[in-house]
Amino acid sequence: EPEVTQTPSHQVTQMGQEVILRCVPISNHLYFYWYRQILGQKVEFLVSFYNNEISEKSEIFDDQFSVERPDGSNFTLKIRSTKLEDSAMYFCASSLNLNEQFFGPGTRLTVL
Amino acid sequence: GQQLNQSPQSMFIQEGEDVSMNCTSSSIFNTWLWYKQDPGEGPVLLIALYKAGELTSNGRLTAQFGITRKDSFLNISASIPSDVGIYFCAGRRTDKLIFGTGTRLQVFP
Repeated sequence: EPEVTQTPSHQVTQMGQEVILRCVPISNHLYFYWYRQILGQKVEFLVSFYNNEISEKSEIFDDQFSVERPDGSNFTLKIRSTKLEDSAMYFCASSLNLNEQFFGPGTRLTVL
Repeated sequence: GQQLNQSPQSMFIQEGEDVSMNCTSSSIFNTWLWYKQDPGEGPVLLIALYKAGELTSNGRLTAQFGITRKDSFLNISASIPSDVGIYFCAGRRTDKLIFGTGTRLQVFP
């Protein structure tokens, strides 16, 4: 069964460093998303991406964040200058339509 | 902001018991979804609901989309140990999913 994959599974970085989190969505899906989950809390929406552009973003997704689909398979989230409060699990998701979103296993980002 | 409140927050049940949890919102949603999350893993989609009043089953799971479009419930029948985890409801109005606060389920043998 096709699934969303994410790399790395765990990323440790120093405050102020740039990180890129990578995702391979399900191959025939058209919509791509990033969510995050701070430890012990609920999952929060960051951004959605369709037709090679951002379709919606939350207030969390400020100028420090960017997304890219550099080729036909990868979908990346870049955080330009990480802050301590960026430490969280980051989940990529994809969907064929807007309804059923399938999530990857997540990347745990730890900012020191 | 939009809030989805789930109840109960946690449940401790005996294997074989039935479980019911629900999700309420002050806002209307077009789609309700239920996910299960195991520790350190991503949410896994269990059931998707598209129409007000819709009742859908997936094995031992049954979920309903409330008539007002502001609530949903999930039932698990004859619970087993692998049902342990956190169950999240999620509502969709635009592109994004708004997740609920979660119900933590513990099943004792």
